Amino acid sequence: DAKTTQPNSMESNEEEPVHLPCNHSTISGTDYIHWYRQLPSQGPEYVIHGLTSNVNNRMASLAIAEDRKSSTLILHRATLRDAAVYYCILWGSGTYKYIFGTGTRLKVLA
Amino acid sequence: EAGVAQSPRYKIIEKRQSVAFWCNPISGHATLYWYQQILGQGPKLLIQFQNNGVVDDSQLPKDRFSAERLKGVDSTLKIQPAKLEDSAVYLCASSSWNEQFFGPGTRLTVL
Repeated sequence: DAKTTQPNSMESNEEEPVHLPCNHSTISGTDYIHWYRQLPSQGPEYVIHGLTSNVNNRMASLAIAEDRKSSTLILHRATLRDAAVYYCILWGSGTYKYIFGTGTRLKVLA
Repeated sequence: EAGVAQSPRYKIIEKRQSVAFWCNPISGHATLYWYQQILGQGPKLLIQFQNNGVVDDSQLPKDRFSAERLKGVDSTLKIQPAKLEDSAVYLCASSSWNEQFFGPGTRLTVL
């Protein structure tokens, strides 16, 4: 299974943009890049996903490197409610399998 | 639409006892997953079902854990006998294609 590498923790000030990096150098051509986040005492929730092109939704943006070996989740204006563990996951379109790593714990400072 | 339901939310048992968790996925979702999440770690996939067939159970400790998904809908995960290291949150998730929806989880404490 392809693996992802993320920093253990990051901090951001409230109302500022946050860029959460992820490396996935062993990604295969059929793997989608997914991001989930887990708020305290809750199950993970979907944030965004992409294959090759950059993606935007109401929660965040996903920037994917041209060689697909890395990606960045962008929260445009961090709020206190965005404090969570963010997981970058490779999802195999053939296996439907999600493999979670340890994620990045985002701390948002008021 | 209704989300993924799990019960119980909390369970405390003594080691060597048995325990069962129940999951009701989102209607129409063919794929169902059980994860174990130990405090401070990411969720670890235990078993993945596609309809009522097992797709992946490579990380399921089969000497003590079992899971079934009858009729391709509800699922149960059982631990018998429980060990101290089984203390964790057990998450159930379902997906229709490439977005997973998680239930609230069951927090198991083994004393």
